[in-house]
Amino acid sequence: QKEVEQDPGPLSVPEGAIVSLNCTYSNSAFQYFMWYRQYSRKGPELLMYTYSSGNKEDGRFTAQVDKSSKYISLFIRDSQPSDSATYLCAMTLLSNTGKLIFGQGTTLQVKP
Amino acid sequence: DSGVTQTPKHLITATGQRVTLRCSPRSGDLSVYWYQQSLDQGLQFLIQYYNGEERAKGNILERFSAQQFPDLHSELNLSSLELGDSALYFCASSVLGIRDTQYFGPGTRLTVL
Repeated sequence: QKEVEQDPGPLSVPEGAIVSLNCTYSNSAFQYFMWYRQYSRKGPELLMYTYSSGNKEDGRFTAQVDKSSKYISLFIRDSQPSDSATYLCAMTLLSNTGKLIFGQGTTLQVKP
Repeated sequence: DSGVTQTPKHLITATGQRVTLRCSPRSGDLSVYWYQQSLDQGLQFLIQYYNGEERAKGNILERFSAQQFPDLHSELNLSSLELGDSALYFCASSVLGIRDTQYFGPGTRLTVL
């Protein structure tokens, strides 16, 4: 069993829809949680970074962390065709390294 | 553009060969990371360097090695290549190397025939 589980999709939604992306994890020692976006043939870029349980909002994006359930989510409001990409969750321990553990990534397509 | 550069963009080689991938971090970043991305395994952490010293190691094969030079650029050496080593190899960099934002390069696509 992988430490971080993420449904690879693909997920296809119409423009303007609310998108929900999720990851579950098994290691309760994970303390920091991130969402990366990766366009085709590009490197991942950081979208959201959260530490504690709860919600964090940035424009159309909301990251949610539920440590008790070992479950994190990313919501995208008013989705746009430009949001079409692969979304990867990542997490790390409270340690002196920057080692990130990634989910498999969910491929999202937003249709005009 | 993240500011992280990787060369070459594409590499095609044969089984048993050795290749070197190069990464230049963003200006001011002291830490470099290497990740491997394949369809079946996803994005996997290989190794991290901070200011020339190894800081963390993931599931990096013994056939793979890396180093970070005094000018902070890094090289990932892959030897005795196998078909299964075909993947995208990403380099990332960050300032502190501890839970701070990692900026990824565009990757090197390695194909082993």
